[in-house]
Amino acid sequence: AQSVTQPDIHITVSEGASLELRCNYSYGATPYLFWYVQSPGQGLQLLLKYFSGDTLVQGIKGFEAEFKRSQSSFNLRKPSVHWSDAAEYFCAVGPAVDSGGGADGLTFGKGTHLIIQP
Amino acid sequence: KAGVTQTPRYLIKTRGQQVTLSCSPISGHRSVSWYQQTPGQGLQFLFEYFSETQRNKGNFPGRFSGRQFSNSRSEMNVSTLELGDSALYLCASSLISGNNEQFFGPGTRLTVL
Repeated sequence: AQSVTQPDIHITVSEGASLELRCNYSYGATPYLFWYVQSPGQGLQLLLKYFSGDTLVQGIKGFEAEFKRSQSSFNLRKPSVHWSDAAEYFCAVGPAVDSGGGADGLTFGKGTHLIIQP
Repeated sequence: KAGVTQTPRYLIKTRGQQVTLSCSPISGHRSVSWYQQTPGQGLQFLFEYFSETQRNKGNFPGRFSGRQFSNSRSEMNVSTLELGDSALYLCASSLISGNNEQFFGPGTRLTVL
């Protein structure tokens, strides 16, 4: 069964500092990988995705993530955080192709709560 | 292009009642998935509908059901509500089934008293 681990429940970063959020996954086939962000009381917004190709993917709001197959990781990074980046971040994994038996939906990690210090 | 819309945004029910939540996907999207988000369990996949057919279902009891209409709008129903059903219910749409680039709505916050 697929699973996603986000080892850090909370992370506190000073405004202007760099950020790295960790994500490890377990999946039996080639995965699609995603990072979503959720602000309080809101739905999920897609930051970036990896389907194939270049293992360094760029997303919105200055975020990037690197897919490392050997480490089963898909860590999210940002060189300089802004106070508005404070939110909950979710890593997710999904099937790479339609299995024909139905889509299994996305499997999400438990999330990392990002706190920005002034 | 309008995003995914969910109605109602907030709902309060009592144990034993039933509830219906609605989701309108992005125009042109034919797949709708539903997720339950709770502090304890996180985000969990409920089911996905594509072309009015349920494609797959997560590990939830039969009290949770859904349907999709010909215009791709979807509803989910929870019967015999329990306190543990209190959650944020998120709907996500995508162009086709299996294409897992999903766009999420703002959710419906259900409180069961």
